[in-house]
Amino acid sequence: QKEVEQDPGPLSVPEGAIVSLNCTYSNSAFQYFMWYRQYSRKGPELLMYTYSSGNKEDGRFTAQVDKSSKYISLFIRDSQPSDSATYLCAMGRNDAGNNRKLIWGLGTSLAVNP
Amino acid sequence: DAGITQSPRYKITETGRQVTLMCHQTWSHSYMFWYRQDLGHGLRLIYYSAAADITDKGEVPDGYVVSRSKTENFPLTLESATRSQTSVYFCASKASGVTGELFFGEGSRLTVL
Repeated sequence: QKEVEQDPGPLSVPEGAIVSLNCTYSNSAFQYFMWYRQYSRKGPELLMYTYSSGNKEDGRFTAQVDKSSKYISLFIRDSQPSDSATYLCAMGRNDAGNNRKLIWGLGTSLAVNP
Repeated sequence: DAGITQSPRYKITETGRQVTLMCHQTWSHSYMFWYRQDLGHGLRLIYYSAAADITDKGEVPDGYVVSRSKTENFPLTLESATRSQTSVYFCASKASGVTGELFFGEGSRLTVL
């Protein structure tokens, strides 16, 4: 079993839809969680970063962490065609020797149709 | 230009040839990383470096060599390229003390024939 599981999709939604992207993980030692967005033929870029359980909101994006269930989500409200990209979850441990090693999901491909 | 740049962006080579992918960052970040990204495998860490002259293996280091004589440069060399090394390679950097956030280059797409 992989440490991080992420459904690769593809996911196709109409413009304006609410999108939910999810990752599950098995290692309870993970302490911080991130979502990266990757446009076609580009490098990933950080979208959201959370340390604790609960919700973090940034504009149309909300990151949710449930450590008890080992489950993280990214919600996109009022989705736009410009949100079409691959979304990768990543997580890591904040202790010596491990703070440089992120564990990545495979990424979910999202298409938002006008 | 500020940021992290990779070269070449595209490279086609033959089996057995040596290839070097270059990575340069202008932020003076301590940490630098090389990943490869393949369908079905996602991002896999090849090598990383915590500072100049300090490098360490990642998840898939076999067949690759790195060096870091200067903080801003982190070249990745495939000493004898194989078809299985056909991939998209990403260089990334991270500031010391800032947990987790990586800044990626635009990638180098390598095809080994």
